[in-house]
Amino acid sequence: GAGVSQSPSNKVTEKGKDVELRCDPISGHTALYWYRQSLGQGLEFLIYFQGNSAPDKSGLPSDRFSAERTGGSVSTLTIQRTQQEDSAVYLCASSLEYFAGTGAEKLFFGSGTQLSVL
Amino acid sequence: TQLLEQSPQFLSIQEGENLTVYCNSSSVFSSLQWYRQEPGEGPVLLVTVVTGGEVKKLKRLTFQFGDARKDSSLHITAAQTGDTGLYLCAGANVGGGSNYKLTFGKGTLLTVNP
Repeated sequence: GAGVSQSPSNKVTEKGKDVELRCDPISGHTALYWYRQSLGQGLEFLIYFQGNSAPDKSGLPSDRFSAERTGGSVSTLTIQRTQQEDSAVYLCASSLEYFAGTGAEKLFFGSGTQLSVL
Repeated sequence: TQLLEQSPQFLSIQEGENLTVYCNSSSVFSSLQWYRQEPGEGPVLLVTVVTGGEVKKLKRLTFQFGDARKDSSLHITAAQTGDTGLYLCAGANVGGGSNYKLTFGKGTLLTVNP
């Protein structure tokens, strides 16, 4: 597609329920990232995929969070037994290229999923 | 833990005014990026600065990377209402194989009034 697509755009759930958030990256982008943006906070790194593998899961807040990526494309972030503190905007980004020598990848972000846990 | 402090947190100005926002850290970054985010949308990359002391211009926006690569500034000349948004800086870690993991500041929320 033309850009990074995320669904749903909004999700309201009850505490204790599981949720799945989907990200469809730009075609051909091998790297995929999940970030979380809480009110008044900066973006918080959650996980990074290179292809289907996740070399860095260090940002996942707890074992209730998991993510997978299949076919080197679509990724799903799953939050089990949601808590109110999970309420945030979950942003997905993808990238194709590295700036050689600096490591700064050019990220393209989706519009995010606004998750509200009641 | 690397942190990026952005200031001011909020800025409200009139159209035509100039402004500068700052991004500061005690840590060195291999590169620094500036993004703009509008309500309900994801951040959009404006620029990446790589070399200490580097200055980049994007129309009315001027970006500078500090000599020590610990800080950066964004200057907007003759602000327009279309400049309204949340400006985020993000630093890429130096070496260690984790330079894909950006450290974001909390942002400067800019409102340009007509």
